[in-house]
Amino acid sequence: DGGITQSPKYLFRKEGQNVTLSCEQNLNHDAMYWYRQDPGQGLRLIYYSQIVNDFQKGDIAEGYSVSREKKESFPLTVTSAQKNPTAFYLCASSPRRTEAFFGQGTRLTVV
Amino acid sequence: AQSVTQLDSQVPVFEEAPVELRCNYSSSVSVYLFWYVQYPNQGLQLLLKYLSGSTLVKGINGFEAEFNKSQTSFHLRKPSVHISDTAEYFCAVNSSASKIIFGSGTRLSIRP
Repeated sequence: DGGITQSPKYLFRKEGQNVTLSCEQNLNHDAMYWYRQDPGQGLRLIYYSQIVNDFQKGDIAEGYSVSREKKESFPLTVTSAQKNPTAFYLCASSPRRTEAFFGQGTRLTVV
Repeated sequence: AQSVTQLDSQVPVFEEAPVELRCNYSSSVSVYLFWYVQYPNQGLQLLLKYLSGSTLVKGINGFEAEFNKSQTSFHLRKPSVHISDTAEYFCAVNSSASKIIFGSGTRLSIRP
């Protein structure tokens, strides 16, 4: 089946640790996105990529990093510099200038 | 810069009543507009989209939306809601370089 796969579904991190969230798509889409969702704040854009080996910061990029070495993959690293990382993270992909298709999300909790 | 404003954070309605969820956007260029639905602990599912053409767009589950360029609005409507429509709804805009921005969401609660 074509789609977007995020893993893991739940992730626990100790304070001071970096963690990487996986996002893979087999839809052959050019663009990929990472969003953070907190209650009452909607989806806020962290990073997006329009093409392999290129990405741009979104509105809340501080404390996060990404890479886009392959068209199918867009992993997100939550670094220790992110002061409040507990949130629901959503990955999406899109053909150019049309709708985004979403994965099922990763819920990250700092313990 | 583009932005999306959803004017109501929560909308309670009775079952079988009509509903309108409001969305306004700002952008200096032409836009593509979307409505998504999210059920608890899940990703987002596309309800409908406006890319071009007719300003009245029909989507899944009986929802429709109207693009109004002069008022920069894209309100979502359904003539008769069901309990199963209980969810959070997000308006989004894609206006430049594949950057998709979302509103803060509207939680629709249906009362029997």
